[in-house]
Amino acid sequence: SYELTQVPSVAVSPGQTASITCSGNKLENKYASWYQQKPGQSPLLVIYLNKKRPSGIPERFSGSNSGNTVTLTISGTQPMDEAVYYCQAWDRDIAVFGGGTKVTVL
Amino acid sequence: EVQLVQSGAEVKKPGESLKISCQASGYKFTDYWIAWVRQMPGEGLEWVGIIHPIDSDARYSPSFQGQVTISADESISTTYLQWSSLKASDTAMYYCTRHLYDSSTFDNWGQGTLVTVSS
Repeated sequence: SYELTQVPSVAVSPGQTASITCSGNKLENKYASWYQQKPGQSPLLVIYLNKKRPSGIPERFSGSNSGNTVTLTISGTQPMDEAVYYCQAWDRDIAVFGGGTKVTVL
Repeated sequence: EVQLVQSGAEVKKPGESLKISCQASGYKFTDYWIAWVRQMPGEGLEWVGIIHPIDSDARYSPSFQGQVTISADESISTTYLQWSSLKASDTAMYYCTRHLYDSSTFDNWGQGTLVTVSS
């Protein structure tokens, strides 16, 4: 079955840049989304189609892709950005989520 | 405003049946697929399956095929996830979410339904 791999955790200081990667076989041929989930809350879409930002999502969230890796970048990270971030893509009509990356703002 | 409102928390015993719901509002229900996602305690997100309300075309993750049934009632803009015989391992939070086909993404999520299965 298809897998998306994320590092379990990333630590960042307030105001610095956090980069969260997600890799998968032939991911360059698919579109990825990113979701933010804070404790006790439902997931929130923050990036779709690799790099598009839904309305209402701050500009400090951006997405990019290169080869078999997609990256979520949080520029000028704020304490409110502390959350778990999941990447997601489709493989043969099955939605697949990465394992999640916990972003800690120290 | 798009809203997905899920039914309340459930506590069941192993072997019991259960049907949880997700009612949509703020958009044309029959224009979008609705998916279900499981999150076990302290774990990540897992895709259960998806349904198109206009013809109830349902597709399942291989991990959940045969274990659950997804259905929809167009007349009340509601999607369902049901079990015929619950197991303790079904204990989890279940989210419904709207799928944007052209954007390959899930743009709106319900608040979640916590299902607890315990003897």
